[in-house]
Amino acid sequence: NAGVTQTPKFRVLKTGQSMTLLCAQDMNHEYMYWYRQDPGMGLRLIHYSVGEGTTAKGEVPDGYNVSRLKKQNFLLGLESAAPSQTSVYFCASSWAGAVVGNEQFFGPGTRLTVL
Amino acid sequence: DAKTTQPNSMESNEEEPVHLPCNHSTISGTDYIHWYRQLPSQGPEYVIHGLTSNVNNRMASLAIAEDRKSSTLILHRATLRDAAVYYCMLINAGNMLTFGGGTRLMVKP
Repeated sequence: NAGVTQTPKFRVLKTGQSMTLLCAQDMNHEYMYWYRQDPGMGLRLIHYSVGEGTTAKGEVPDGYNVSRLKKQNFLLGLESAAPSQTSVYFCASSWAGAVVGNEQFFGPGTRLTVL
Repeated sequence: DAKTTQPNSMESNEEEPVHLPCNHSTISGTDYIHWYRQLPSQGPEYVIHGLTSNVNNRMASLAIAEDRKSSTLILHRATLRDAAVYYCMLINAGNMLTFGGGTRLMVKP
């Protein structure tokens, strides 16, 4: 199993450009998450999904949109990139919610720079 | 939301045990204690979790205080590959993982 994969690994954008980050998991997990991590800080939750066709806002959702059209994929979109969105983006998935102790599996991250 | 407090950094010698503390004095009765770690340039990885009783797995042990207001992650023999940032988090029904600053563990050969 590949686990959680993210595409692309690196990207440089100009302010105002748009892009989509792709996350794919092959573990048949119901839950998927997008986080961002700024230098020297912990991860912050952007959006999450508890199943195909559902999405919900996390701690820092502004400036991002997401879609979960297929169970195995979770897309994160930036419609008009801003320098404040320069960060490392991590995707994760889990079988169920954290309350039942199910671990989250993380992807390797996408390093995004917005000039 | 219940919060956790961890030291910013700790040092350990290779092959010695490491005790990473976490204070969570406002923990509620249904909060689970989760530990994740993040190796350099990688995504976080799950380490261990518990509710009331001490827990052991292949990676580590989790010792939970009787009043649940603190817990300790125990690495029985630190290796250089254990150098990472360790995050302690409290999770309740409907909540998501909330990563604080964590503890940066440095392992000296």
